[in-house]
Amino acid sequence: EAGVAQSPRYKIIEKRQSVAFWCNPISGHATLYWYQQILGQGPKLLIQFQNNGVVDDSQLPKDRFSAERLKGVDSTLKIQPAKLEDSAVYLCASSLVSDTDTQYFGPGTRLTVL
Amino acid sequence: DQQVKQNSPSLSVQEGRISILNCDYTNSMFDYFLWYKKYPAEGPTFLISISSIKDKNEDGRFTVFLNKSAKHLSLHIVPSQPGDSAVYFCAASLDQFYFGTGTSLTVIP
Repeated sequence: EAGVAQSPRYKIIEKRQSVAFWCNPISGHATLYWYQQILGQGPKLLIQFQNNGVVDDSQLPKDRFSAERLKGVDSTLKIQPAKLEDSAVYLCASSLVSDTDTQYFGPGTRLTVL
Repeated sequence: DQQVKQNSPSLSVQEGRISILNCDYTNSMFDYFLWYKKYPAEGPTFLISISSIKDKNEDGRFTVFLNKSAKHLSLHIVPSQPGDSAVYFCAASLDQFYFGTGTSLTVIP
């Protein structure tokens, strides 16, 4: 079974630039998550999708972050414009149905904002 | 507001000995707890979980203990192996997963 795929693996941008990350979850997984992991901290949930609907985006900084999962499969997370404090690893995870199901994580995208 | 805490950022253990990783939480409503293991440049991988109705769950060398009165979770690895060297995150589930800050385990051959 293929795991969660993410791209790119690394991205370096300057502040005020835009960036987008892509995630392809495990086939058949209805729930998709985006997490932000700042160095030395645990992953923090940004947004949770159930199929193509948003379940929880309470911790997403909506003035600069956006995410979509149009066909209930792949998802993109965008930051526009980026700030220095956005430097982090962005993890995508998926689970079968509910938020108590085991989450399977992708390798993450390491973003550096200069 | 950190609802899940791992107070030891690092731990070193000799190969063959027991590794004990600890986790404390503040919200008594959490109903499911998990441990994830993370190698460098990889995403976290699921290791073991426990429901709040149990106090122990065992899977091979890994055992998770839950003490609800103390709001404390621990992961025991016996015997520890060099391949266990990684960062371990505990997580608690309610409406979403809340992760601790991680403990870096080094198993010395």
